[in-house]
Amino acid sequence: QKEVEQNSGPLSVPEGAIASLNCTYSDRGSQSFFWYRQYSGKSPELIMFIYSNGDKEDGRFTAQLNKASQYVSLLIRDSQPSDSATYLCAVTGSARQLTFGSGTQLTVLP
Amino acid sequence: EAGVAQSPRYKIIEKRQSVAFWCNPISGHATLYWYQQILGQGPKLLIQFQNNGVVDDSQLPKDRFSAERLKGVDSTLKIQPAKLEDSAVYLCASSTGTSGFFYNEQFFGPGTRLTVL
Repeated sequence: QKEVEQNSGPLSVPEGAIASLNCTYSDRGSQSFFWYRQYSGKSPELIMFIYSNGDKEDGRFTAQLNKASQYVSLLIRDSQPSDSATYLCAVTGSARQLTFGSGTQLTVLP
Repeated sequence: EAGVAQSPRYKIIEKRQSVAFWCNPISGHATLYWYQQILGQGPKLLIQFQNNGVVDDSQLPKDRFSAERLKGVDSTLKIQPAKLEDSAVYLCASSTGTSGFFYNEQFFGPGTRLTVL
């Protein structure tokens, strides 16, 4: 079983819609959870992190964490074509080192 | 503030040849990471340095990969000899450190795309 699993996609949504990206993790000791965005040919950039159960909002982005279900998600409201990228879920455990999922490719259609 | 610098940006070699990558982290960042990202996968941590000491190299294929961080600043990652499966993007990242519970954001460099023929 992979430590961090994501649907590879591709996920396509129309412009203005809500994009929902999901991630599950296997280590119950995981402490911190991150969403990175990676444009094609570019390096990952951090867009959200969350430590506690519940929702965390930052502009058009909302991260949701459910530790009991070992599930973390990212919602992108009012999706824009510029949001088209691969979204990487990452978690840290007690060693505070990032373990990444394989990413979900998102395409926002104009 | 300058970001993480890496060179070269692209490298093409034949299998069994050797190659080296260079990374210059953000000034003042104590922690440096090397990741391998194979096409269609997320980055995989190869080695983590804290200043010039190794924190974790458990996923580094030590029979062919080596890395050093002299004087706690720049770092080099070497592959000798290269195999076809080493074709990937090698990402360097740096952060201020890993103290306490809170995560210190990692800033990634542009990466080196290695093709092994």
